[in-house]
Amino acid sequence: EAGVTQFPSHSVIEKGQTVTLRCDPISGHDNLYWYRRVMGKEIKFLLHFVKESKQDESGMPNNRFLAERTGGTYSTLKVQPAELEDSGVYFCASSQVRSGGKGEAFFGQGTRLTVV
Amino acid sequence: GNSVTQMEGPVTLSEEAFLTINCTYTATGYPSLFWYVQYPGEGLQLLLKATKADDKGSNKGFEATYRKETTSFHLEKGSVQVSDSAVYFCALISGNQFYFGTGTSLTVIP
Repeated sequence: EAGVTQFPSHSVIEKGQTVTLRCDPISGHDNLYWYRRVMGKEIKFLLHFVKESKQDESGMPNNRFLAERTGGTYSTLKVQPAELEDSGVYFCASSQVRSGGKGEAFFGQGTRLTVV
Repeated sequence: GNSVTQMEGPVTLSEEAFLTINCTYTATGYPSLFWYVQYPGEGLQLLLKATKADDKGSNKGFEATYRKETTSFHLEKGSVQVSDSAVYFCALISGNQFYFGTGTSLTVIP
């Protein structure tokens, strides 16, 4: 069974440009999460989808970030326009059940975004 | 609120040395606790977990015990190998959201 896959693995863009990150969760997983790790800091929650609905987007830093999950399958995270502080590694994770605190999420390898 | 504080890195050890990576947490209620590992070029992988106080999670020679009285979940391994070189993240889950520490980079030299 394929794991969580993310594209691209690495992206370098100029400040002011637009970048779209993609995440394909494990088939059948209703929960999809986006996280971000800025260099040297903790991995921080961005948002959580249940199927196609945004369950919690409290971690989204500002309105330059837009996440979608059309059809409840793959998800995209668009940054427009990108700023230098958006650089970091963006992780996607999926899980099968709304575990209420007991479950495990499966993570992708991450997309390393560098804004120059 | 919920947070995880993790031992600062990087950590460099010789092969067969003993490893401890400290992790303490702050949480409402009784969260499940996790250690995730990221090997070079790969995604985060679950290393071990514990779901209630005094539980011990173990995997690949690594162990961590859920200590409610000290709000800790320290990671230990008795004899590290070069293949254990990776970044280790302590985490808790509250509701449906994971809270991670900053990560500790471990390098094991032959």
